[in-house]
Amino acid sequence: DAKTTQPTSMDCAEGRAANLPCNHSTISGNEYVYWYRQIHSQGPQYIIHGLKNNETNEMASLIITEDRKSSTLILPHATLRDTAVYYCIVRVAWSGGGADGLTFGKGTHLIIQP
Amino acid sequence: GAVVSQHPSWVICKSGTSVKIECRSLDFQATTMFWYRQFPKQSLMLMATSNEGSKATYEQGVEKDKFLINHASLTLSTLTVTSAHPEDSSFYICSARSGSRYNEQFFGPGTRLTVL
Repeated sequence: DAKTTQPTSMDCAEGRAANLPCNHSTISGNEYVYWYRQIHSQGPQYIIHGLKNNETNEMASLIITEDRKSSTLILPHATLRDTAVYYCIVRVAWSGGGADGLTFGKGTHLIIQP
Repeated sequence: GAVVSQHPSWVICKSGTSVKIECRSLDFQATTMFWYRQFPKQSLMLMATSNEGSKATYEQGVEKDKFLINHASLTLSTLTVTSAHPEDSSFYICSARSGSRYNEQFFGPGTRLTVL
């Protein structure tokens, strides 16, 4: 799996858009970008994933640069409940039965300020 | 999204005893589930991959005789921590693969194990 780099922590004001960057300069052509988050003392939650096109769902938007070397997760209107550690993970979608467990880095601790 | 449950949510046990943690996929079938461990202020670490009907695959450094995994059905995997010691105290989290071609994983709420 390609290595990712994320800022250790970020602050964002409640109600504003939270933009979380992720660098993955060694990403391969068949690797997707996945985002998960973990609220304190809970299991991680899947947010979104993408290959090369921008993606949007009910939770967030994912913007992937044209060269795919970096991406940004956008929470459009952050609330206090969005305070969590956000993990950017790059990997192939399906390894054909091999090891598919996720490799979690340190992630970004996003703190939403009231 | 798909729902994964874990039971119990927390457990306290004496050193030397065994503890079983259950992981269930509630609204989908999961041929593959994963077990992770998370120590305080650290990230999740994959322990093992649990495949329905076959032996689990353990990550390097994880003792298979200490962490017994059974995946007896398409909706249930169990992790048994045998002869638990205080250093096994941790947050244990399972996940299940969605089965879609995008390989999303859905996580349980975690089990907090404290060994006295």
